[in-house]
Amino acid sequence: EAGVAQSPRYKIIEKRQSVAFWCNPISGHATLYWYQQILGQGPKLLIQFQNNGVVDDSQLPKDRFSAERLKGVDSTLKIQPAKLEDSAVYLCASSPPGGRYNEQFFGPGTRLTVL
Amino acid sequence: DQQVKQNSPSLSVQEGRISILNCDYTNSMFDYFLWYKKYPAEGPTFLISISSIKDKNEDGRFTVFLNKSAKHLSLHIVPSQPGDSAVYFCVVGSGNTGKLIFGQGTTLQVKP
Repeated sequence: EAGVAQSPRYKIIEKRQSVAFWCNPISGHATLYWYQQILGQGPKLLIQFQNNGVVDDSQLPKDRFSAERLKGVDSTLKIQPAKLEDSAVYLCASSPPGGRYNEQFFGPGTRLTVL
Repeated sequence: DQQVKQNSPSLSVQEGRISILNCDYTNSMFDYFLWYKKYPAEGPTFLISISSIKDKNEDGRFTVFLNKSAKHLSLHIVPSQPGDSAVYFCVVGSGNTGKLIFGQGTTLQVKP
C-alpha cells in the first residue's frame, strides 16, 4: 500500500512570496489533515477535511493560508504572502473511515524556509 | 496553552537498558492516548495506543502506562535498541472531535 505522498520536499522562498504544497493521501482515506511543525515543537493541526468538506480549520491563519481538497482526494495548502514565522515542516496525514483511535498516517512533509 | 507536555526534550540510554518517556496532559476529557515515533526526514508513525479505560497496554518491547488521576502517561521501551533512536511524541485524542493533539516531543538516543 502506497503511503501519503507530498511535494515538494523542500522549498526556500523570500518573505512576502507565495508557496503551495501538494498532498496525495492513501487511497480510500476519507479524512485528510494538514499540520504545521515548527522546530522544537510537535505538529499542530491547521485544517482537517472529511472528503472534500472542511471539518476543522480553527487554527488556520485564514488571512494568509488557504487549503482545498478537490474531489475528496488530493489537497493543496497555500501560503500567500509568506512570513518569516511560517518557516516549518508542513505535514499531510490521512486516516481511514472507522480507524482505530483515529490513527493517522503521515507523509514525509515539506520543509519550508522563509528568508 | 499546552494541553500535552513532554518535559524532557531529550533522553540518552545505553543499549539493552530501559527507556522511560513521560508525558503530562491537562484535560481529563481525553478518550485515548497514543505515542508516535519520528525519524529524521520522515513523517511521524504510530507506535502504540491506550484507551482511557485501561491503565496499561503492551506491544512487544513497548509498554504504555496511563495514570488518569495524575493525568500522566509514560512509554517504556525494554530492552532499548539503537534503532529506537528517534523523536517520540505523546499524543492525546478525543472521540468527539477525532482531533489529535501532539506534545513537543522527546528525542531518544540509544547508545550501542
